[in-house]
Amino acid sequence: DAGVIQSPRHEVTEMGQEVTLRCKPISGHNSLFWYRQTMMRGLELLIYFNNNVPIDDSGMPEDRFSAKMPNASFSTLKIQPSEPRDSAVYFCASTMPDRDSNEQFFGPGTRLTVL
Amino acid sequence: AQKITQTQPGMFVQEKEAVTLDCTYDTSDPSYGLFWYKQPSSGEMIFLIYQGSYDQQNATEGRYSLNFQKARKSANLVISASQLGDSAMYFCAMRDNTNAGKSTFGDGTTLTVKP
Repeated sequence: DAGVIQSPRHEVTEMGQEVTLRCKPISGHNSLFWYRQTMMRGLELLIYFNNNVPIDDSGMPEDRFSAKMPNASFSTLKIQPSEPRDSAVYFCASTMPDRDSNEQFFGPGTRLTVL
Repeated sequence: AQKITQTQPGMFVQEKEAVTLDCTYDTSDPSYGLFWYKQPSSGEMIFLIYQGSYDQQNATEGRYSLNFQKARKSANLVISASQLGDSAMYFCAMRDNTNAGKSTFGDGTTLTVKP
């Protein structure tokens, strides 16, 4: 398996622009997580899905952030409009929750820079 | 609510020596899983080791072992025979076994291995 795939790997955009981050989880994993990592705030859970249904979006910082999972193999995280404080590394992770020992598999991350 | 505490922002160890990275947790759940991840400077998150709350023995994976003390709610990571490639950020995480595989992460410990 190719692991969790994220695109783009790097994104540089200007303040006010819309940004869409993409994630393909590992085939067969039915839980998907979006995280944000910054030096100041560490690793933050933004939202997670189970069987394509959002379970908890309480970590989403504000209404400018939205996430969807239209099917089991694809999820997006959208920021509209983007702001410089959104600059961070965004990770997607997936897991199978049926076994307690199943770890989360992380994608390589998307490094977002908002100018 | 679950909470993970890593009290060591940074640690230094001499090459070939052993090092212990501390992790304490708090939960009211009887069943949970504890994980350690490594994040090298390249940014990817790498799963290292898992310990289940009902496991009687401490987990081991090669040079990694987990010193699990349930009564003290601690799950320290021990790295034996440190190598230069062990220099990285290390995260302790606890999985909620009733919540779609959601995990709570600590703030991380930066380990530097000196030659």
